[in-house]
Amino acid sequence: KAGVTQTPRYLIKTRGQQVTLSCSPISGHRSVSWYQQTPGQGLQFLFEYFSETQRNKGNFPGRFSGRQFSNSRSEMNVSTLELGDSALYLCASSLVTAYTGELFFGEGSRLTVL
Amino acid sequence: QKEVEQDPGPLSVPEGAIVSLNCTYSNSAFQYFMWYRQYSRKGPELLMYTYSSGNKEDGRFTAQVDKSSKYISLFIRDSQPSDSATYLCAMRTNAGKSTFGDGTTLTVKP
Repeated sequence: KAGVTQTPRYLIKTRGQQVTLSCSPISGHRSVSWYQQTPGQGLQFLFEYFSETQRNKGNFPGRFSGRQFSNSRSEMNVSTLELGDSALYLCASSLVTAYTGELFFGEGSRLTVL
Repeated sequence: QKEVEQDPGPLSVPEGAIVSLNCTYSNSAFQYFMWYRQYSRKGPELLMYTYSSGNKEDGRFTAQVDKSSKYISLFIRDSQPSDSATYLCAMRTNAGKSTFGDGTTLTVKP
């Protein structure tokens, strides 16, 4: 069974540019969550999508946005990049039931903003 | 104050030692408790998962949850160099939102 796939794995952008990251969840998983990981802030929740609808949202500015497609694949977009956006962006998928909380992570997209 | 506080580390232990990793939390809505292991430049992988107070054992790993004290622990017995990684505790509400600790970096020296 294929795991969570994130593309691209590495990218370098300059301040002011925008970036789109992609995530393909495990087959059958309908929930996709996005996280930002930095050495200083740890793992910070960005947002979660389920059946193309945003379910939860973290405390990030509106420059961070996302969407989910009908096949559960998800994209996140960061506009007007800032130096502080340099981070590992992790996508996680999960089977959503009332009684499970397991997240399966991809290997991440490492973004460097110059 | 953060909802989840994790012992910061880093921890360095000799091979074969027993390791204790700990987290406290303040949100009573947390119902599910997880431990993730993250190797360098990789995504976190689920190590242990539980939803009740008490102990859960899986090989050399034991997860302990005390809901009354809002405290969780992960014990690693007979630690190996391959256990060297960052360990993240995580907690999730019924609504599905997960909150992570900042992680503890463990180094097991041969």
